[in-house]
Amino acid sequence: QSALTQPPSASGSPGQSVTISCTGTNNDIGGYKYVSWYQQHPGRVPKLLIYEVTRRPSGVPDRFSGSKSGTTASLTVSGLQAEDEADYYCGSYVDDNTFVFGGGTRLTVL
Amino acid sequence: QVQLVQSGAEVKTLGASVKISCKASGYTLSDYYIHWGRQAPGQGLEWMGIINPNGDFTTYAQKFRGTVTMTSDTSTNTVYMELSSLRSEDTAVYFCARDGGVNYRQDAFDIWGQGTLVTVSS
Repeated sequence: QSALTQPPSASGSPGQSVTISCTGTNNDIGGYKYVSWYQQHPGRVPKLLIYEVTRRPSGVPDRFSGSKSGTTASLTVSGLQAEDEADYYCGSYVDDNTFVFGGGTRLTVL
Repeated sequence: QVQLVQSGAEVKTLGASVKISCKASGYTLSDYYIHWGRQAPGQGLEWMGIINPNGDFTTYAQKFRGTVTMTSDTSTNTVYMELSSLRSEDTAVYFCARDGGVNYRQDAFDIWGQGTLVTVSS
């Protein structure tokens, strides 16, 4: 199973919105609602931001939102803040009962 | 509080095996699946497999079939991941993470262990 495809980098200025894409296939993103997103600051454990495509765990700001169209999932970060600078990973259930992560996107707040 | 605590760092030689533990506290281990993955230095996240701590289900990523074994001991609220035939490319931080679904698989990792660094050297 190949990793889901994410852009290696993204950037935006404080207050702006940034969208990170995550492209898979009909065997993963396109076929199921089990898409999740994670934020990882350097040297830290990843944190769950989004699950089941659009749902936010309690405590995650509503500036973070998820969506999906076909085989591409997206994470949008609105009202960018300095602390949003981190690596972001998508993940999806795969039809052989496995799971796959994306390659990761480094978000820079300019 | 709800947490997963992993065993400490390991240094192994080529061809050896490593077994990492992941102890759950603050919740009933058997109610949630546990995933295992790793992150090589400067690299992204890689999923290795999933176990239902009840012991009735495990699935491994194709890449690790034949070299990884995941087990559980509900009496001690602990799950284990053993990786054999270690190569230098297996040097990474290994993590366990709880699946957020209660008695079902949600494929979202809501609680993470602190990570265990495994260094493989010759």
